[in-house]
Amino acid sequence: EDQVTQSPEALRLQEGESSSLNCSYTVSGLRGLFWYRQDPGKGPEFLFTLYSAGEEKEKERLKATLTKKESFLHITAPKPEDSATYLCAVQAPSGSARQLTFGSGTQLTVLP
Amino acid sequence: NAGVMQNPRHLVRRRGQEARLRCSPMKGHSHVYWYRQLPEEGLKFMVYLQKENIIDESGMPKERFSAEFPKEGPSILRIQQVVRGDSAAYFCASSPSDTNYGYTFGSGTRLTVV
Repeated sequence: EDQVTQSPEALRLQEGESSSLNCSYTVSGLRGLFWYRQDPGKGPEFLFTLYSAGEEKEKERLKATLTKKESFLHITAPKPEDSATYLCAVQAPSGSARQLTFGSGTQLTVLP
Repeated sequence: NAGVMQNPRHLVRRRGQEARLRCSPMKGHSHVYWYRQLPEEGLKFMVYLQKENIIDESGMPKERFSAEFPKEGPSILRIQQVVRGDSAAYFCASSPSDTNYGYTFGSGTRLTVV
């Protein structure tokens, strides 16, 4: 069974204090690893897709990296507007190979 | 592009009633997915549909839940005889044939069963 574990569950940072969120996964044959951002009362907003170990993607203050067992979402010099829950999900060749298995998320709070 | 549209945003049903949740995918997207987010839990896959076809319903409860994506109109997730445990946020996502750009989620329908 595919498993996705995110840590920490919650993280409080001061504005400008860089940090990383972790996503550990256990799947048989990773097709893709996705990062989403979710604001309260809203649906997840797509950030990145990573496909192979060693791959990196960047968007503004966010950088996602992937190894064979985990992914990191690095946040550089965060701002209060980066406060949200960050979700990690994997796509594996099970079932229709289209379903995503999500972690429980990391709730990030950036204090001004 | 209006994105993935879900309605209603909030739905209150009494135990035993039926709930109908609607989802219109993004323009150009032919694949629809439904996920459920229970309080204090992560998003769980329910069903994957293409027009007039259910492709994967491995995450759907065996009873009371059904989904469709007709040739015309939105995708519908139907829950019959709702119980308190059905209270959750239900999210719809859509994608084109190529999922390299991820799945686009709607804002969800929050179902409360009283």
